[in-house]
Amino acid sequence: SQQGEEDPQALSIQEGENATMNCSYKTSINNLQWYRQNSGRGLVHLILIRSNEREKHSGRLRVTLDTSKKSSSLLITASRAADTASYFCATVIIQGAQKLVFGQGTRLTINP
Amino acid sequence: GAVVSQHPSRVICKSGTSVKIECRSLDFQATTMFWYRQFPKQSLMLMATSNEGSKATYEQGVEKDKFLINHASLTLSTLTVTSAHPEDSSFYICSARRQAVSYEQYFGPGTRLTVT
Repeated sequence: SQQGEEDPQALSIQEGENATMNCSYKTSINNLQWYRQNSGRGLVHLILIRSNEREKHSGRLRVTLDTSKKSSSLLITASRAADTASYFCATVIIQGAQKLVFGQGTRLTINP
Repeated sequence: GAVVSQHPSRVICKSGTSVKIECRSLDFQATTMFWYRQFPKQSLMLMATSNEGSKATYEQGVEKDKFLINHASLTLSTLTVTSAHPEDSSFYICSARRQAVSYEQYFGPGTRLTVT
């Protein structure tokens, strides 16, 4: 079952602006990951943040994790047209098999 | 980087036939591979977890006799959709997990299946 919910479902901004996507989950997690998917393609791993971490950076990406609120955010700074894609959060829960449970995704459109 | 390939990338088949999709890890050994299904504009739904040399573990609601999974080696897993029907039309994506790294999965490019 899907435990992640992402907000917003769709986001359209101008090139150069920052894009923020949020993800909420329900159960205790070991880590949370963000993936990117271009239309009709596979997923590309962007960043992993562990449950004991609060913030992580990778290039223009900034991810935060608030385990008390069971939420995470992905910030893309200085967006580019090439950032247009769907972005998914995925959690690895503590109990059971270490499988990914994906959120519903945010469709991001960067307008040139 | 870790590369995962899928073959074919697109397949069209007639209702009632079976289709096999291959997932290969090209530059690493994968003890575990995962098969997902994705409907248009929706998220990925895990279908099954495949461990090399053992039977796949299917998620609730996924028919194991319809979606046959074989993980014969550390670099190859196959998904066979048996007696396909139009409702099986979907985007199927596999992923592979490295032996030494537990949490990161590397995804294949996906296979678009259309059943007519």
